[in-house]
Amino acid sequence: GQQVMQIPQYQHVQEGEDFTTYCNSSTTLSNIQWYKQRPGGHPVFLIQLVKSGEVKKQKRLTFQFGEAKKNSSLHITATQTTDVGTYFCADDKIIFGKGTRLHILP
Amino acid sequence: DAGITQSPRHKVTETGTPVTLRCHQTENHRYMYWYRQDPGHGLRLIHYSYGVKDTDKGEVSDGYSVSRSKTEDFLLTLESATSSQTSVYFCAISKEGEKLFFGSGTQLSVL
Repeated sequence: GQQVMQIPQYQHVQEGEDFTTYCNSSTTLSNIQWYKQRPGGHPVFLIQLVKSGEVKKQKRLTFQFGEAKKNSSLHITATQTTDVGTYFCADDKIIFGKGTRLHILP
Repeated sequence: DAGITQSPRHKVTETGTPVTLRCHQTENHRYMYWYRQDPGHGLRLIHYSYGVKDTDKGEVSDGYSVSRSKTEDFLLTLESATSSQTSVYFCAISKEGEKLFFGSGTQLSVL
């Protein structure tokens, strides 16, 4: 079965609101990766986290890796229509979570 | 974008027929992967390869076989396609321990 659980499955937000998706593993991970897939497109790599407690930022996106290296989160500040898509985490065996689909309401 | 090409991009076939999907890379990456993507299931790993003639099963390998006779090509074969194998298939490549680059996908419909 899936090694990483991702929540929520869907999220609708008003444009300008924040968004967060969470990824949880039952085992300690050596690293975790995040990908974004636009509607009709293919997944595109966003970032890899390796260190316990690591926090990385990419403009409005903030990625965190938990202290126990079993969970991770992706937070988007002030969402824009360009953020629409599905966000996936992948564990160190490149097994993907089911993804969080983000819808932006204008 | 990484040099990765999937063919065909779309295919419609009948139940019971064999189907082969091709993934071709020009990056000389060691690792290659086949995933399928279905609504509600995300991306599920079918098979992967860590070198020429070196392959291993993923989460959902039943009904699929793969071959990698050259670094640049990774073939996915459905020996006898079933309707449950209707899906979007993505190939991906990577260096060891690094990010995946995905192809554009193949939409397969089994009628």
